[in-house]
Amino acid sequence: EVQLVQSGAEVKKPGESLKISCKGSGYSFTSYWIGWVRQMPGKGLEWMGIIYPGDSDTRYSPSFQGQVTISADKSISTAYLQWSSLKASDTAMYYCARLDGDSFFNWFDPWGQGTLVTVSS
Amino acid sequence: EIVMTQSPATLSVSPGERATLSCRASQSVSSNLAWYQQKPGQAPRLLIYGASTRATGIPARFSGSGSGTEFTLTISSLQSEDFAVYYCQQYNNWPRWTFGQGTKVEIK
Repeated sequence: EVQLVQSGAEVKKPGESLKISCKGSGYSFTSYWIGWVRQMPGKGLEWMGIIYPGDSDTRYSPSFQGQVTISADKSISTAYLQWSSLKASDTAMYYCARLDGDSFFNWFDPWGQGTLVTVSS
Repeated sequence: EIVMTQSPATLSVSPGERATLSCRASQSVSSNLAWYQQKPGQAPRLLIYGASTRATGIPARFSGSGSGTEFTLTISSLQSEDFAVYYCQQYNNWPRWTFGQGTKVEIK
């Protein structure tokens, strides 16, 4: 079974750094792009960026370029999303999802269970 | 950026009835459109890709249609487990993939 399992909920203060993870299993982790999607409280879905774990090629949505960093460690089949200085507005649920194909004309399937990030002083 | 507009925002339907959800793109996305279902407290789940192809394991009561700028998701006979929020997503315009704002299907 193809599965993505994300790290647990985080509570942080503004200005702190954070790195959340997404571990893939049941497929060749290095052969599929992994994306990150933000869902702010009570809101819709926003695509943030994607990484190809095979060579760490990373692409960002223009809306999130410079705001976050996406990385991967293929030796442990894990992708990461990190912030260097969190803001209250980063409070959201973050999902990782696999891009189901080898081109950018593809959909996300499956999705991780989500990681809730709360930033509050 | 391509804006995806879903309507209605909320759809009240009785179990067993048909539900029709609409998704409109501000410019053509060909057939590069997916539909996702999200239940409260859960991650989104892929229902439809390529505008009309059901994902693995998705019941036949879910169907998608359309191309270009107008798309429809139809649930032929609503079951209790189908009450959820549904999102469309275009993946035609790289790197500016965009989602619709969602349609909530609630029990009438």
